[in-house]
Amino acid sequence: QKEVEQNSGPLSVPEGAIASLNCTYSDRGSQSFFWYRQYSGKSPELIMFIYSNGDKEDGRFTAQLNKASQYVSLLIRDSQPSDSATYLCAASGYSSASKIIFGSGTRLSIRP
Amino acid sequence: ETGVTQTPRHLVMGMTNKKSLKCEQHLGHNAMYWYKQSAKKPLELMFVYNFKEQTENNSVPSRFSPECPNSSHLFLHLHTLQPEDSALYLCASSQTLAGGEGEQFFGPGTRLTVL
Repeated sequence: QKEVEQNSGPLSVPEGAIASLNCTYSDRGSQSFFWYRQYSGKSPELIMFIYSNGDKEDGRFTAQLNKASQYVSLLIRDSQPSDSATYLCAASGYSSASKIIFGSGTRLSIRP
Repeated sequence: ETGVTQTPRHLVMGMTNKKSLKCEQHLGHNAMYWYKQSAKKPLELMFVYNFKEQTENNSVPSRFSPECPNSSHLFLHLHTLQPEDSALYLCASSQTLAGGEGEQFFGPGTRLTVL
């Protein structure tokens, strides 16, 4: 059974601090990794995707991938109250998005 | 209308009812998906269509019946559902099925309650 594991949280972080969200995956064949943000009552929206080992930065967000450890993380710098949401990690094989597997999500709360 | 739209947004039905969920994407994408999202569970992929052909049925019970008349429209026909089928049903689309760059765009979802 291919799985993507996330700590359900809630993760509480003070405003302005760095929020660190973690994800592990079981399928070594996974090639592409996605972080989606889902506000309460809304649908998921893609924040970042990463394919290569190392870091990928986009504004306040940094995705980190370590394929040897089967570990993906998302760092949010200068956390804002608007970052409070559930963050879904997903993994897929390179050849077909139909095999995308989602984690159950980590609920992040930014406290003022 | 832009993006991915879904109707209805909320649906309450009895176990003997028959209803349909509708999804429409205005993005010119070729692949469409149905997902089920239950509380505290991972998003579950149900069906995948590519160029209106079904490419994935993730062991979904036959009381859920998908239909994809063209690349822009996707339906989920529901009949004799169970209370445990109550969930948020999300439709998504992507340009292609290529996983590497297969960003999926999600619709707002239909909140289904089965009594």
